[in-house]
Amino acid sequence: AQSVTQLDSHVSVSEGTPVLLRCNYSSSYSPSLFWYVQHPNKGLQLLLKYTSAATLVKGINGFEAEFKKSETSFHLTKPSAHMSDAAEYFCVVSDQGYSSASKIIFGSGTRLSIRP
Amino acid sequence: EPEVTQTPSHQVTQMGQEVILRCVPISNHLYFYWYRQILGQKVEFLVSFYNNEISEKSEIFDDQFSVERPDGSNFTLKIRSTKLEDSAMYFCASSPDRFTDTQYFGPGTRLTVL
Repeated sequence: AQSVTQLDSHVSVSEGTPVLLRCNYSSSYSPSLFWYVQHPNKGLQLLLKYTSAATLVKGINGFEAEFKKSETSFHLTKPSAHMSDAAEYFCVVSDQGYSSASKIIFGSGTRLSIRP
Repeated sequence: EPEVTQTPSHQVTQMGQEVILRCVPISNHLYFYWYRQILGQKVEFLVSFYNNEISEKSEIFDDQFSVERPDGSNFTLKIRSTKLEDSAMYFCASSPDRFTDTQYFGPGTRLTVL
């Protein structure tokens, strides 16, 4: 069965410094992995997706994530945080193509705060 | 860019009342989903829907819940007799086909049961 663990419930960084949001997963099959972002009072926006093409995935707003199979990790990074990055970030896993409709599993979320 | 839309954005209801949450998925998508997020908790899968029938449902999706695609564009979630614990944000999502598991989410409907 799939599962996903976000290791930090809250991360706080200063504006202009790097961001690291950690995610570990387990999956019985070849997983698809996603990061979604949820700004206050907004819906869930897809940041990026991994589907076994390239292990380093680039997303929107300067975010990227690296798939490391040996570590079962899919950490989200950004070189320089911006105030507008303050939001809740969800790591998500999905079994790829084995069911008629993929059920995706959300991590518990990491709240990212940016200090001026 | 096409988006999933949901109405209303906020619904307040009395316990025991029926509510219908509405979603308009992206027009060429074939798979539809409902998720919920109780305040401060994880986003949880409720149900997936394809070809006018439920594909999969979670243990949360009991007999008080139902889904329907009443026409070519809307996808609805009905809660027959709301309970206090149904208060949550409900997200609709859609995806194009079984080979693309990226799901595109709507902005959510916040349901408050009093």
